[in-house]
Amino acid sequence: DGGITQSPKYLFRKEGQNVTLSCEQNLNHDAMYWYRQDPGQGLRLIYYSQIVNDFQKGDIAEGYSVSREKKESFPLTVTSAQKNPTAFYLCASSFSGPHSPPQSEGYTFGSGTRLTVV
Amino acid sequence: DQQVKQNSPSLSVQEGRISILNCDYTNSMFDYFLWYKKYPAEGPTFLISISSIKDKNEDGRFTVFLNKSAKHLSLHIVPSQPGDSAVYFCAAAGNQFYFGTGTSLTVIP
Repeated sequence: DGGITQSPKYLFRKEGQNVTLSCEQNLNHDAMYWYRQDPGQGLRLIYYSQIVNDFQKGDIAEGYSVSREKKESFPLTVTSAQKNPTAFYLCASSFSGPHSPPQSEGYTFGSGTRLTVV
Repeated sequence: DQQVKQNSPSLSVQEGRISILNCDYTNSMFDYFLWYKKYPAEGPTFLISISSIKDKNEDGRFTVFLNKSAKHLSLHIVPSQPGDSAVYFCAAAGNQFYFGTGTSLTVIP
């Protein structure tokens, strides 16, 4: 079955440490995205990538980094520069990038990673 | 600045009755609107969408209405079922997707 997989489901990080969240898709989607969800707020875009080896900052990219070495993979690194990293992180993918008319079903989302800084 | 707003954080409805979830947006240039459903500890899943050139789209028990002059859309679920209990996000598509804050729907058996 095609889908998008995020791992791990729960992650604990000590202050000052970098941590990498995994996102893999086998849907042959071109575009991939990282969102952050905080209580009482909508999903906020961190980074997105429309093609391999290219990615763009979203609304809240500070303190995060990404890579897109393969079409299937879009890992997100939460660096020690991110001042408030505790949140629920969602990865998504789609056939078209955010600047193209979206397909009627929009994005396919992963199941999320809950990151807690301890 | 929140471009998509869901002003009701929660809603409770009796099983069999209608659930109406509301969403307001600020940008008249959005060309597509979507509703997603999310269960706890899972990612959102697509539910229904509507193009900005339409005012209604129906899929089974789910209907989305778009009022462009009021910059308002709503999701109607009829009849509501306990399995519909979830958080519902609306989203608007422009140069990127903008998501609302979600409305938690509880359908009471």
